[in-house]
Amino acid sequence: EAGVTQSPTHLIKTRGQQATLRCSPISGHTSVYWYQQALGLGLQFLLWYDEGEERNRGNFPPRFSGRQFPNYSSELNVNALELEDSALYLCASSQSGANVLTFGAGSRLTVL
Amino acid sequence: EDKVVQSPLSLVVHEGDTVTLNCSYEVTNFRSLLWYKQEKKAPTFLFMLTSSGIEKKSGRLSSILDKKELFSILNITATQTGDSAVYLCAVGSTSGTYKYIFGTGTRLKVLA
Repeated sequence: EAGVTQSPTHLIKTRGQQATLRCSPISGHTSVYWYQQALGLGLQFLLWYDEGEERNRGNFPPRFSGRQFPNYSSELNVNALELEDSALYLCASSQSGANVLTFGAGSRLTVL
Repeated sequence: EDKVVQSPLSLVVHEGDTVTLNCSYEVTNFRSLLWYKQEKKAPTFLFMLTSSGIEKKSGRLSSILDKKELFSILNITATQTGDSAVYLCAVGSTSGTYKYIFGTGTRLKVLA
């Protein structure tokens, strides 16, 4: 069974640019979660999608946005990049209403 | 404000030692507590705890939850260098304001 896949693995951008990160959940999982893990910090909750709808978002500015497609894959967009956006962005999936999150390997975003 | 606090922040032990990692929480409408191991990027699932006093065990790892005192512990006996990782605790809520909130993790280093 394929796990959660994320792309790209690494991404380098400059301040002010836009970044798009992608996530494909495990087959049969309808919920997708995005977390930001900055160096030395824990996982900070960004967004939760379930059945194509945004169910909740964390305490991040509106320039962090995303969507979930009909096949349950998801993308995270970060506009007007700032240096402090440099982090590992982790995507996780679960069956709707289930408890256990399965994580992907993450996308490392570096903003110069 | 809901929060999850892990202690210690870091720990260095020698192979064969036993370690106890702590996770305390203050969360509205507790649903479940998860433990993850993060070695490089993708956190991998260890345990899910929902009921007080019931120990979950997998090999040398075990965990238990105390819903009255609002904490969980993760024990690792006879540690090996392969146990070196960041151990993350996550608490889920049914309140709908978020799915899971993570602690900052405990970084464990096991020396040969």
